[in-house]
Amino acid sequence: DIQVTQSPSSLSASVGDRVTITCRPSQSIDNSLNWYQQRPGETPKLLIYEASSLQSGVPSRFSGSDSGTDFTLTITSLQPEDFATYYCQQSYIVPYTFGQGTRLEI
Amino acid sequence: QVQLVESGGGLVKPGGSLRLSCAASGFTFSDSFMTWIRQAPGKGLEWVSHISNLGYAFYDADSVKGRLTISRDNTENTLFLQMNSLRVEDTAIYYCARQSAFAGGALDLWGQGTLVTVSS
Repeated sequence: DIQVTQSPSSLSASVGDRVTITCRPSQSIDNSLNWYQQRPGETPKLLIYEASSLQSGVPSRFSGSDSGTDFTLTITSLQPEDFATYYCQQSYIVPYTFGQGTRLEI
Repeated sequence: QVQLVESGGGLVKPGGSLRLSCAASGFTFSDSFMTWIRQAPGKGLEWVSHISNLGYAFYDADSVKGRLTISRDNTENTLFLQMNSLRVEDTAIYYCARQSAFAGGALDLWGQGTLVTVSS
């Protein structure tokens, strides 16, 4: 199975800050990396698919990139509703494993 | 309305069985690969199983292989997860989700989840 290592596991930030979260798969996955947001008590929501494509309806302050070995989720100008847990997921080979999650806190 | 609604969760003793259902509406269910994901209390997301649009191909995570079985009924627009030989570590919220046909297999529609508690 492909392991996906996500970092950091938690992150403190303030409204207006820019933050980045990274995922590193254990093998090459092309661009088959997705990002999800889960607010407390809510269902996960797709933010970014195929490393850098923004899901419809997601604010443009969210962006994804791929350096070849690492994948990054960047949130610019943090808003209060962005404080949540973020997960990456590889969809290259089944099982489509998730990262461990990053809890973004105020 | 495009939605997924899970049902069937509850409290069961170790070694027991449950059958989860996920009712789909508002989209062409038979065109979509479907997935079950679970989340243990206070933990992260774990991919459990997925099934092709016509049900001919499916894959289960090693942690559930032989005990949890995915299936679907496209005439009823419903996804199932038959859960046998349940263990305490299967306690989790179980979500069904749709794999997008246009977003590289990403999960673009999720149900609200159903809680399964395995305890004596």
